[in-house]
Amino acid sequence: NAGVTQTPKFRVLKTGQSMTLLCAQDMNHEYMYWYRQDPGMGLRLIHYSVGEGTTAKGEVPDGYNVSRLKKQNFLLGLESAAPSQTSVYFCASSTRPGQGTQPQHFGDGTRLSIL
Amino acid sequence: KNEVEQSPQNLTAQEGEFITINCSYSVGISALHWLQQHPGGGIVSLFMLSSGKKKHGRLIATINIQEKHSSLHITASHPRDSAVYICAVTGGSQGNLIFGKGTKLSVKP
Repeated sequence: NAGVTQTPKFRVLKTGQSMTLLCAQDMNHEYMYWYRQDPGMGLRLIHYSVGEGTTAKGEVPDGYNVSRLKKQNFLLGLESAAPSQTSVYFCASSTRPGQGTQPQHFGDGTRLSIL
Repeated sequence: KNEVEQSPQNLTAQEGEFITINCSYSVGISALHWLQQHPGGGIVSLFMLSSGKKKHGRLIATINIQEKHSSLHITASHPRDSAVYICAVTGGSQGNLIFGKGTKLSVKP
């Protein structure tokens, strides 16, 4: 049972390049989230999805786009990478809030450096 | 002011010591989470609680809803407990977590 899988694990980009981070979960979870983790700060929500075909902005959405074409996958895109987007990115998934006491399940993270 | 505050930020203990990490929050919540993150590693959920107390092995988590406060206790600490412990809360209908900045624990042998 893989849980939440993030690819790639590491990536170095040059300013202005684009890339897509992939998050895949095999637990049939409705809700999926993208967070970023920066030194000295708590994790912050970038975008989230409450189901296939739906996405919404979180606390820090600027510079990112997302898509949820399939229930199991949640993609995070950087159209034109900037040094300020250097961070560790975590994907998480969960059942619908209120459906029992289920925690969020996290991927192992993607370390992204923008030069 | 952050919605979720943790203390201390850093904690060094000797093996065998009893450890307490505190978390206070200022928003209405449906649940509070304690998470563990090892250096360079992913994030693992330790506890999710909305009232009372939960225990798993040497770890105990408590929450006081009226005081908006939670504690994570580690009994008989061990060097393998060295990690960052993160408090987070869920409150909104979208279910996302609001995180504290974490407590970095180092347990010396």
